[in-house]
Amino acid sequence: NAGVTQTPKFQVLKTGQSMTLQCAQDMNHNSMYWYRQDPGMGLRLIYYSASEGTTDKGEVPNGYNVSRLNKREFSLRLESAAPSQTSVYFCASKDSWGPTGELFFGEGSRLTVL
Amino acid sequence: EDQVTQSPEALRLQEGESSSLNCSYTVSGLRGLFWYRQDPGKGPEFLFTLYSAGEEKEKERLKATLTKKESFLHITAPKPEDSATYLCAVPRSYDKVIFGPGTSLSVIP
Repeated sequence: NAGVTQTPKFQVLKTGQSMTLQCAQDMNHNSMYWYRQDPGMGLRLIYYSASEGTTDKGEVPNGYNVSRLNKREFSLRLESAAPSQTSVYFCASKDSWGPTGELFFGEGSRLTVL
Repeated sequence: EDQVTQSPEALRLQEGESSSLNCSYTVSGLRGLFWYRQDPGKGPEFLFTLYSAGEEKEKERLKATLTKKESFLHITAPKPEDSATYLCAVPRSYDKVIFGPGTSLSVIP
C-alpha cells in the first residue's frame, strides 16, 4: 500500500525555470494538500483541494499554481522559480474535509533554486 | 493572530530519562489538537488527536495531554528509536491546520 507518492524526490532549478511536483494517493481520500517546510517555520499550507474539481489558496500561495487532475492526483507548479522557493514540499491527503481527521503525508520533494 | 509554539526547540535525553514536550497555542474556538512524529527525510506521521481539555491519549511510551492553553507530550523511559521531531498542529479554521515548528528529540543509548 503506497499511500501518498510524490515525484520527484529531489530537484535543482535555476532561477526563472518552471517545474511541476506530482502527488498521487491510493487511499480514495477526498481532500489533498500541498505544504512547504522550512527550518524553524513549521509546515505552511500552500494550496489545498477539498474535493475533486476544487482548489483553494492556503497561507503562502504566491508563486505557485495547482491542479486537481482527478481524485487521486494533485500537482503543484512553480511557473518561475525563485531562491525563496527553496524548501521541502510535502503533499498530504485526508479522508474528509474539515478541521478534524489525520493527514497522511508523502515523503517530500526537496527543491533547491539557485 | 493564531499561533502555535513548541518548546524546547531541541531536547537530548539519555535512554530511560523521562521528559515532556510542550505545545502552546493561541487559537479561538479550538477544534482539536494533533501530534505528529517526523523522522529525518520523511513526512510527518500521525500520532494523536485531542479534542477537549483534560483529554489524554497514550501510545507505547508516549502520552499526550491537553489543557485550555497547551498540550504536553510526555515520553516515559524513552528509547533511541523515539528520536524524531515531534510536531503539534491546530485547526485554525474549517480548512487550514497550523503546525508548530517542532521539537527535535534525541535519545542517547
